[in-house]
Amino acid sequence: RKEVEQDPGPFNVPEGATVAFNCTYSNSASQSFFWYRQDCRKEPKLLMSVYSSGNEDGRFTAQLNRASQYISLLIRDSKLSDSATYLCVVKGGTDSWGKLQFGAGTQVVVTP
Amino acid sequence: DTAVSQTPKYLVTQMGNDKSIKCEQNLGHDTMYWYKQDSKKFLKIMFSYNNKELIINETVPNRFSPKSPDKAHLNLHINSLELGDSAVYFCASSQELRTEDNLYNEQFFGPGTRLTVL
Repeated sequence: RKEVEQDPGPFNVPEGATVAFNCTYSNSASQSFFWYRQDCRKEPKLLMSVYSSGNEDGRFTAQLNRASQYISLLIRDSKLSDSATYLCVVKGGTDSWGKLQFGAGTQVVVTP
Repeated sequence: DTAVSQTPKYLVTQMGNDKSIKCEQNLGHDTMYWYKQDSKKFLKIMFSYNNKELIINETVPNRFSPKSPDKAHLNLHINSLELGDSAVYFCASSQELRTEDNLYNEQFFGPGTRLTVL
């Protein structure tokens, strides 16, 4: 079983619509969580960290459910520029020395 | 002002050859990483160095040997290249301190090196 699992998509979203997707993680000792964004043939870049109480950054809202071990990302008012692969990322405890576990990514395609 | 740079960007080579990829970061970070992203887009950590010391070595064949001459550089040398080594290799860096503050440190990635083994 993979440590971080995501629905690969693609999620085809009309411009202006809302899209949401989850990922699940297997290591209950995981301590920090992130969404990274990767454009085609580019490097991953941090989109946002995910905090226990949930957090929002503009049109993006992230939620964490530790009991069920899943993380979600919601994108409101989708823009064409939101088309990308969204990587769910989990980090272990303070002894993990920055070791990140990546999901395989959820592809989002925003259409005009 | 490239934060994390890698060379070369593309590398096409024959099976059995030896090749190196170089990485440099100008962010002053103390930790650097090598990741491999295969054809299924799965990004997996290979190595991590903190202040030139190997911290993470994830079941990578001995043909892969990282070298960190200083904390701003982490190179990857690959011996006897195989077809299965074809992938995109990303270098990354972050500031990792042994405190609770390192839980949300951002990792910055280089642009990647696309390796094709023929």
